[in-house]
Amino acid sequence: SYVLTQPPSVAVAPGQTARITCGGSRVGQIGVHWYQQKPGQAPVLVIFDDTKRPPSGISERVAGSKSGTTATLTITRVEVGDEAEYYCHMWDSATQHHVLGEGTKLTVL
Amino acid sequence: QLVESGGGLVQPGGSLKLSCAASGFSLGGFPIDWVRQAPGKGLEWISYIQADSNTIYYADSVKGRFTISRDNAKNALYLQMNSLRADDSAVYYCVRDGGVAGEFASWGQGTLVTVSS
Repeated sequence: SYVLTQPPSVAVAPGQTARITCGGSRVGQIGVHWYQQKPGQAPVLVIFDDTKRPPSGISERVAGSKSGTTATLTITRVEVGDEAEYYCHMWDSATQHHVLGEGTKLTVL
Repeated sequence: QLVESGGGLVQPGGSLKLSCAASGFSLGGFPIDWVRQAPGKGLEWISYIQADSNTIYYADSVKGRFTISRDNAKNALYLQMNSLRADDSAVYYCVRDGGVAGEFASWGQGTLVTVSS
C-alpha cells in the first residue's frame, strides 16, 4: 500500500521555525493536507490542498508548501501552544484510498 | 458539528453499529469518511461514502467486515462493523469532506470501540 513518510519527531525552541516534511512518490500529483492533533482532542485541519488555510482561524504562522515528492508544513515563531502531533494526508487515486502519514510529534523545547 | 455514537465494549467476533449525526448543517451535501485511531497510534482512514451513496471505498483492513451507509433524510451516517478483532479497538471519527481536494474539513469528537473478551 502507498505510504506517506514523516519524521517521528521535530523539536524546536520557542520563537524558532519548525518544518515537518511528508514524502511520497505521488505527493506531487495531488493536493496534500495537514492536521494538528493535541492530546485527547480530535484532529483539526490546518492546511489543505498544499498551501490553503481553512477559514477557521488558523494562524498565519502556519504555512504549507510542496516541491517534487515532498510536502512541508512550516510553523514560524513557534509557541508552546503549537506542541502537538501533525499528520499529512492525501487521496491516492491509484488505490482509491485516503492515505495518512504516521504523524510527527512537534516538541517545543 | 458531527457527533458519533454507538461505541462500547464488544467481544472478538462480535458486531457494533456506529452512528454519526450532524447538527447545524446538512450531511447530504458532503462526502463523509470514517477515520480511526488506535490507542497511542496514528490516524487510519477506513471508509468513504459519496454524498449520494453511489461511490463507496474501504481500507483493506476492514473491507468485507465493515459497511458504511447514510440516510440523508435523517441527516445521519452509519458504520456497521462485523467480525470485530482486537486490532479494531480505536476511537472512531466521523469526518466531513471539505469538497476541494479530499481534505477532512470537520471532525467529530469520536467514539471509542474496545474489542476484548
